[in-house]
Amino acid sequence: NAGVTQTPKFRILKIGQSMTLQCAQDMNHNYMYWYRQDPGMGLKLIYYSVGAGITDKGEVPNGYNVSRSTTEDFPLRLELAAPSQTSVYFCASSVPHGGDEQFFGPGTRLTVL
Amino acid sequence: QKEVEQNSGPLSVPEGAIASLNCTYSDRGSQSFFWYRQYSGKSPELIMSIYSNGDKEDGRFTAQLNKASQYVSLLIRDSQPSDSATYLCAVRGSSASKIIFGSGTRLSIRP
Repeated sequence: NAGVTQTPKFRILKIGQSMTLQCAQDMNHNYMYWYRQDPGMGLKLIYYSVGAGITDKGEVPNGYNVSRSTTEDFPLRLELAAPSQTSVYFCASSVPHGGDEQFFGPGTRLTVL
Repeated sequence: QKEVEQNSGPLSVPEGAIASLNCTYSDRGSQSFFWYRQYSGKSPELIMSIYSNGDKEDGRFTAQLNKASQYVSLLIRDSQPSDSATYLCAVRGSSASKIIFGSGTRLSIRP
């Protein structure tokens, strides 16, 4: 099993550009999450999904969009990138009510200049 | 009030001593509580989960939960330099779907 994979590892965007951060898991987990982590801070929940076709907002959803067309994939879309979106983005997945452990991907480090 | 609060530290503890990390949460209906460890530049990794009041021990780690006080803690016995990391408290609230993290406590074990 590859676990949770994220691409790209690093990306530099210019203000106003758009991009999609990819996340995939091969553990057949229903629940998937997107977090951002600013330097020296904890994780802030952006969006989460409890299954294909179902998504919901977290703590800091503004400026982002998600979709969940399959169990495996949960891409995060940034429209009109802003410097405030400079952060490390982590994707995670978990089995609902089955230990609850979240498995994290390696992260995407995004800089918006 | 933040949903999950931790002291940011840094917390400095001598090698071999007990490190005590604390976390409070605001949602009284919270169901599950987690401690993650995160090394610099790495992803968080789960070290403890706790679901009911009391203590749960796993090796050198003990998680303590007090739902009445909305308080969860992590004790690390016989602290080692390899324990130096940021410790994140996470809580699954009454909505059962979201997991919210605290801001993390940076722990430094000095030789």
